[in-house]
Amino acid sequence: EAGVAQSPRYKIIEKRQSVAFWCNPISGHATLYWYQQILGQGPKLLIQFQNNGVVDDSQLPKDRFSAERLKGVDSTLKIQPAKLEDSAVYLCASSLDRPRSYGYTFGSGTRLTVV
Amino acid sequence: QKEVEQNSGPLSVPEGAIASLNCTYSDRVSQSFFWYRQYSGKSPELIMSIYSNGDKEDGRFTAQLNKASQYVSLLIRDSQPSDSATYLCAVNSYGNEKLTFGTGTRLTIIP
Repeated sequence: EAGVAQSPRYKIIEKRQSVAFWCNPISGHATLYWYQQILGQGPKLLIQFQNNGVVDDSQLPKDRFSAERLKGVDSTLKIQPAKLEDSAVYLCASSLDRPRSYGYTFGSGTRLTVV
Repeated sequence: QKEVEQNSGPLSVPEGAIASLNCTYSDRVSQSFFWYRQYSGKSPELIMSIYSNGDKEDGRFTAQLNKASQYVSLLIRDSQPSDSATYLCAVNSYGNEKLTFGTGTRLTIIP
């Protein structure tokens, strides 16, 4: 079974620029998550999709962050404009219908550095 | 109060000894509990899950859950240098399908 695919692996941008990350979940996984992990901290949920609908985006800074999941498969997360404090690893995860039973699988992440 | 709390460490344990990692959570209706291991520069990988009070063993790993005390722990027996990593505790609460993570405990196994 192929894992969760993310790209790019690394990205360096200047503040106020825009950036986009891509995620392809495990085939058949209906639920997709984007987490932000700042160095030395645990992952923090940004947004949760069930198929192509948003379930929880309460911690997404909507003035600069946006995410979509077209056709209930791939997802993109965008930051515009980026701030220095957005430097972090952005992790995508997917799960079967009941992540409370099985947990979920993370992709390799995208490490963003804003300078 | 943080939803999921862990001692950030670092926790240093001699090779071959037992490493004990602890986690407390604030939401009494939490249902499912997970331990993830994260090597430096890598993404978290699931190593244990536990849902009922008591112990659950898987090889050298034992997860312990006490819902009355809102406490979950991970024991690693016969610690190896390859166990050196950050261990993240994650909790799922009833009625939602997301995991809330602690800040992680950095574990170093000393040869």
